Amino acid sequence: TAGITQAPTSQILAAGRSMTLRCTQDMRHNAMYWYRQDLGLGLRLIHYSNTAGTTGKGEVPDGYSVSRANTDDFPLTLASAVPSQTSVYFCASSDWDNNEQFFGPGTRLTVL
Amino acid sequence: GENVEQHPSTLSVQEGDSAVIKCTYSDSASNYFPWYKQELGKRPQLIIDIRSNVGEKKDQRIAVTLNKTAKHFSLHITETQPEDSAVYFCAASRVNNAGNMLTFGGGTRLMVKP
Repeated sequence: TAGITQAPTSQILAAGRSMTLRCTQDMRHNAMYWYRQDLGLGLRLIHYSNTAGTTGKGEVPDGYSVSRANTDDFPLTLASAVPSQTSVYFCASSDWDNNEQFFGPGTRLTVL
Repeated sequence: GENVEQHPSTLSVQEGDSAVIKCTYSDSASNYFPWYKQELGKRPQLIIDIRSNVGEKKDQRIAVTLNKTAKHFSLHITETQPEDSAVYFCAASRVNNAGNMLTFGGGTRLMVKP
């Protein structure tokens, strides 16, 4: 199995443009999460979804939106990118029976 | 909300020595405390976790201790090896029906010198 995948691997984006970061898991995990990791810092939760059809805000949700139409996919959208959104974005998933969160490989986003 | 602080931010040890990383948390309702290892350019990977009903957990050279009264938990790595060099993150969460939203510490860069 692939586990959890993210696309693209990296992207340079002009300020003001929109972009969707993709995340897909094949582990049938109930919960999915988006984090951002700024250089030299820890991870901060942007949005989460406890189950398909529901989403919630994390610590730093402003400027981001998510949807969870099915169990496997959890896209993150930046409607109008700003330079402060330059970061590495990690998607993660976990199952209700096991708290461990499995992380994707990350997307490195640069907003100029 | 939860606040997690992690110390030290960098730690350099000689191969074979022990390394200890400490974290404190603010939410007394937090009940799940994982530790992640992140190598340069890679994704975080879980190395050990502990739940609030346990005071200590060990897995080979790695151990975690939890003091709920003081609201702190620590990672202990014994007999360190160069491949232990990485950034380590602690995290805390209140696992419930709403999910498992982790709050991470700022990370500790561990360097093991051969």
